[in-house]
Amino acid sequence: SYVLTQPPSVSVAPGQTARITCGGNNIGSKSVHWYQQKPGQAPVLVVYDDSDRPSGIPERFSGSNSGNTATLTISRVEAGDEADYYCQVWDGSSDHVVFGGGTKLTVL
Amino acid sequence: EVQLVESGGGLVKPGGSLRLSCAASGFTFSNAWMNWVRQAPGKGLEWVGRIQSKTDGGTTTYAAPVEGRFTISRDDSKSTLHLQMNSLNTEDTAMYYCTTGSGSQSYYWGQGTLVTVYS
Repeated sequence: SYVLTQPPSVSVAPGQTARITCGGNNIGSKSVHWYQQKPGQAPVLVVYDDSDRPSGIPERFSGSNSGNTATLTISRVEAGDEADYYCQVWDGSSDHVVFGGGTKLTVL
Repeated sequence: EVQLVESGGGLVKPGGSLRLSCAASGFTFSNAWMNWVRQAPGKGLEWVGRIQSKTDGGTTTYAAPVEGRFTISRDDSKSTLHLQMNSLNTEDTAMYYCTTGSGSQSYYWGQGTLVTVYS
């Protein structure tokens, strides 16, 4: 089965740039989606199809995907960005949706 | 406005059954592919399964841990999604979300319903 690997945690100071990676075999050939989840809340889609943003999501959130790594980049990080972030793909060979293990973003 | 409202969660003993529902509104439910996603306490997101729209075949697909025990169905006349869960075990304890979106992403999520399997 297809596996997505995320770092358990990323820390960044306010105003700096956070980069959260999502590794998978030839993930560059798949569409990657990213979700933000704050404590006690349902996840929110922040980036879809590698780099598109849903309406209402700040431009500070961006994504890229190439080779074996997809990356969610959050520019000018704010305290309110502190949350868990999950990447997700659809694995066509199994017709299964796959989530990464999640990354906890801490704003110092 | 799109709304997904899950219900049916609760306490159940190992080996028991539970049926979850997800009431949808604000979009054409019959055209939507719907997913169930769960999250065990303190853990990450886990996809449970998906049902296609009837016009696309209505096929269901399940994650390995629930295959053969869980069944997803839909009632398009009531814009409602169901998850029938049988032979429950403690590892099924989780918040269960229904989701939908275009493509393979989950654009919309409900607030979830909590299932606790206790011995």
